[in-house]
Amino acid sequence: EDKVVQSPLSLVVHEGDTVTLNCSYEVTNFRSLLWYKQEKKAPTFLFMLTSSGIEKKSGRLSSILDKKELFSILNITATQTGDSAVYLCAVERGTDKLIFGTGTRLQVFP
Amino acid sequence: GAVVSQHPSWVICKSGTSVKIECRSLDFQATTMFWYRQFPKQSLMLMATSNEGSKATYEQGVEKDKFLINHASLTLSTLTVTSAHPEDSSFYICSARGFRAGVGGANVLTFGAGSRLTVL
Repeated sequence: EDKVVQSPLSLVVHEGDTVTLNCSYEVTNFRSLLWYKQEKKAPTFLFMLTSSGIEKKSGRLSSILDKKELFSILNITATQTGDSAVYLCAVERGTDKLIFGTGTRLQVFP
Repeated sequence: GAVVSQHPSWVICKSGTSVKIECRSLDFQATTMFWYRQFPKQSLMLMATSNEGSKATYEQGVEKDKFLINHASLTLSTLTVTSAHPEDSSFYICSARGFRAGVGGANVLTFGAGSRLTVL
């Protein structure tokens, strides 16, 4: 059975801290791994990863994929209160669907 | 960027009534649309996948007679929750995959803003 597991489930940090969110997967016919940020409404896209070892960066956020060990990490440096959200990892299987992890709830306090 | 409009954003209805949620791709043709459901503090669960002009494929455990999906055109898919009950209260999100003209035929996957259904 395909599955995507995220850890930790929840994380509380102070502004300025660096956090690492984990996503491991077991999915047949892997196509890509995506990270989303969800605040109050629908998820917003962060990164799409298809190749191992190539870091993607966007400001304070970065992510990398390891297709051999079947995991990805999302790093957020110098966290801000606006980073508080649920971060979702999803694996795209073939061209038919995304399988989402349970998400990591991040709370950043001033 | 590619835009998916979902309507309504919020709906409250009485138990036993049916509710229709629309998902429109505004600037691209959506060959495939996905419908998800999300309970509070839980992740998105795929309910069904619909391809334009054909019947939707439902995930295991999702009642197709209760959650009717229609994808009659390349820009519109609808989810109808029939005879809604309080346990159907949830956040429903659609996403659409398709090709957007002018972006080199890029195959985009975009989420709608979601529809929160509350059944009294």
